[in-house]
Amino acid sequence: GQSLEQPSEVTAVEGAIVQINCTYQTSGFYGLSWYQQHDGGAPTFLSYNALDGLEETGRFSSFLSRSDSYGYLLLQELQMKDSASYFCAVRGDTDKLIFGTGTRLQVFP
Amino acid sequence: DSGVTQTPKHLITATGQRVTLRCSPRSGDLSVYWYQQSLDQGLQFLIQYYNGEERAKGNILERFSAQQFPDLHSELNLSSLELGDSALYFCASSPRGQLQETQYFGPGTRLLVL
Repeated sequence: GQSLEQPSEVTAVEGAIVQINCTYQTSGFYGLSWYQQHDGGAPTFLSYNALDGLEETGRFSSFLSRSDSYGYLLLQELQMKDSASYFCAVRGDTDKLIFGTGTRLQVFP
Repeated sequence: DSGVTQTPKHLITATGQRVTLRCSPRSGDLSVYWYQQSLDQGLQFLIQYYNGEERAKGNILERFSAQQFPDLHSELNLSSLELGDSALYFCASSPRGQLQETQYFGPGTRLLVL
């Protein structure tokens, strides 16, 4: 079967750095994406990794290791507005986008 | 604002009924995706269309069907509704439905089945 695992909840304080891990098991692999979703809102795209390594976009970075079927999202200089759910998603060879169950990030002052 | 629109925003109906959810993709996007998100759950991929044709199918029930019209808007039809169908239904679009493309999500339709 195909599955993604990520922690259900992470807490941190403003200004800190937090890492949200994602391990996946899929038949075929075409990339790992990350989406952010605020309560009651729609998911919004954050990043995409097709190749091994680190992709940096402002305060957010995403890492992929295809040999380990593992990736992470790194959030730096945390702000209160970063409190949201973060989903990793994988494209398998069935052309479907499979989402993890999400990690709820709570940022405290 | 992603540029993807969905109507209605909220829908309350009874078990056994049928509803239609509508989605208009971003201007220029040819591919539309439908997702279901139940309470405290991740997103479940239902189905994808590209330029009017079905491209990929996920965990979509036989009671559910979808189509994409020549003007590229899409409709998701849910029939014989059950309590468990209560969820947020999102539509997303992307330019060509390619694996590496970003998907832009609409605001969702919140369905409550009583």
